[in-house]
Amino acid sequence: TQLLEQSPQFLSIQEGENLTVYCNSSSVFSSLQWYRQEPGEGPVLLVTVVTGGEVKKLKRLTFQFGDARKDSSLHITAAQPGDTGLYLCAGPLGFGNEKLTFGTGTRLTIIP
Amino acid sequence: NAGVTQTPKFRVLKTGQSMTLLCAQDMNHEYMYWYRQDPGMGLRLIHYSVGEGTTAKGEVPDGYNVSRLKKQNFLLGLESAAPSQTSVYFCASSHGGGQFFGPGTRLTVL
Repeated sequence: TQLLEQSPQFLSIQEGENLTVYCNSSSVFSSLQWYRQEPGEGPVLLVTVVTGGEVKKLKRLTFQFGDARKDSSLHITAAQPGDTGLYLCAGPLGFGNEKLTFGTGTRLTIIP
Repeated sequence: NAGVTQTPKFRVLKTGQSMTLLCAQDMNHEYMYWYRQDPGMGLRLIHYSVGEGTTAKGEVPDGYNVSRLKKQNFLLGLESAAPSQTSVYFCASSHGGGQFFGPGTRLTVL
C-alpha cells in the first residue's frame, strides 16, 4: 500500500506551458519533501514544506502544502527542457524524521 | 566535498554470487540509508542506520545485510544474489531532514 500517491504518473508538455503535479495521502504528515531525479542520477532535494497551507517558491517552481497536511502540489510556470525529470514527494514515517516514505513519482518530459 | 559516493556504479552477477556495495559520505551525517528503485515501485527502503554501529530493517530487508562500522561508511551486502535483486540501488545520508543521495549502483543478476 502506497502512503503517498502521485499524479499524474507521466506528463509530457511543450516548452513554455504551465503544469501542476500532485502528491496525496490519507495520512497526515508533519512535513513533505519534493525531490527531482534526472536519468542516471540520484534524487536531489528541492524543498521541504512543514506548515499546513505553506507556499514555497523556487524560481519557476511553486510548492504548496495542504491545509490539512495530507497533500502537496508542485506548479511549474513556463516549463523548460531542463525541468525534465522524475519528481518525487516524500514524507517522514513514525514519530522521528529518520525514515521517509516516497511516492512513486511523476515522470515529466518537456518537449522543446 | 564529494557528498555521497557509491561504488561500484555497475555490476553484473550470476545467481548465487555475493557482493558488497559501498557507500561513503563526507558530511558527518548521523543517518544513512540504502534504497532500491524499480520501475513503477518508487524508492523502497532496504536498511538504514541512525548512527555508527547501529542498523535497522526497512521495508524490503530480506536477502540483504548491512554494516556501519564507521560513521562515514554504510555497506550493503548480498550473500546469495537472486534475479529479483536486479535493481538500481541508492545510498543516502541525512542529519534528520532532507536526504542526500549518491549516484546509484545498477545491479543485474542473471
